Amino acid sequence: DSGVTQTPKHLITATGQRVTLRCSPRSGDLSVYWYQQSLDQGLQFLIQYYNGEERAKGNILERFSAQQFPDLHSELNLSSLELGDSALYFCASSVSQGPWEQYFGPGTRLTVT
Amino acid sequence: ELKVEQNPLFLSMQEGKNYTIYCNYSTTSDRLYWYRQDPGKSLESLFVLLSNGAVKQEGRLMASLDTKARLSTLHITAAVHDLSATYFCAVDMGTGTASKLTFGTGTRLQVTL
Repeated sequence: DSGVTQTPKHLITATGQRVTLRCSPRSGDLSVYWYQQSLDQGLQFLIQYYNGEERAKGNILERFSAQQFPDLHSELNLSSLELGDSALYFCASSVSQGPWEQYFGPGTRLTVT
Repeated sequence: ELKVEQNPLFLSMQEGKNYTIYCNYSTTSDRLYWYRQDPGKSLESLFVLLSNGAVKQEGRLMASLDTKARLSTLHITAAVHDLSATYFCAVDMGTGTASKLTFGTGTRLQVTL
């Protein structure tokens, strides 16, 4: 158990819908990262927040957005869902100082039908 | 654009044998990570390599980094069945508190009796 929690574990929704994935980092970690894992694209970095502010951006679609709240938990919002958005979404967290080792949560499996 | 290539993609090896997984990347970086993923599970951090010549060992696994050659290796010594999993390397192009991991395609390791 990494100490990072994610809810829900599974999510099934229809195309065109909007969902919110939630992540709570390890105690004391200021950075939260979001990743998408699919058979087609592999593991892709989406976005990083550090102490409430966006710090790094990867291949995140415009339909997706994220935020980190004052209590450091983070949410990833996915809208206008398409079949291709079906994937495993991981959240990870790390401490503010090096070596920036990231600890991954259990993931949310999203199925878009 | 950073490219991270792992080989082999699939490795079937007998218990007791040694083997090496290679991770090549296209752009200079001195932050490289190795992760393990069991089927249907999250990612577990194995090694953090932060400088040229870094070598880390844990049990039957040893990782090294050659930043000049843009190459990292994960060496498996006397493999056992419990090491069966998918192994990912990830290169970090972030600076300071920013972190942008680009993952390799993964190497699926199967250790047979």
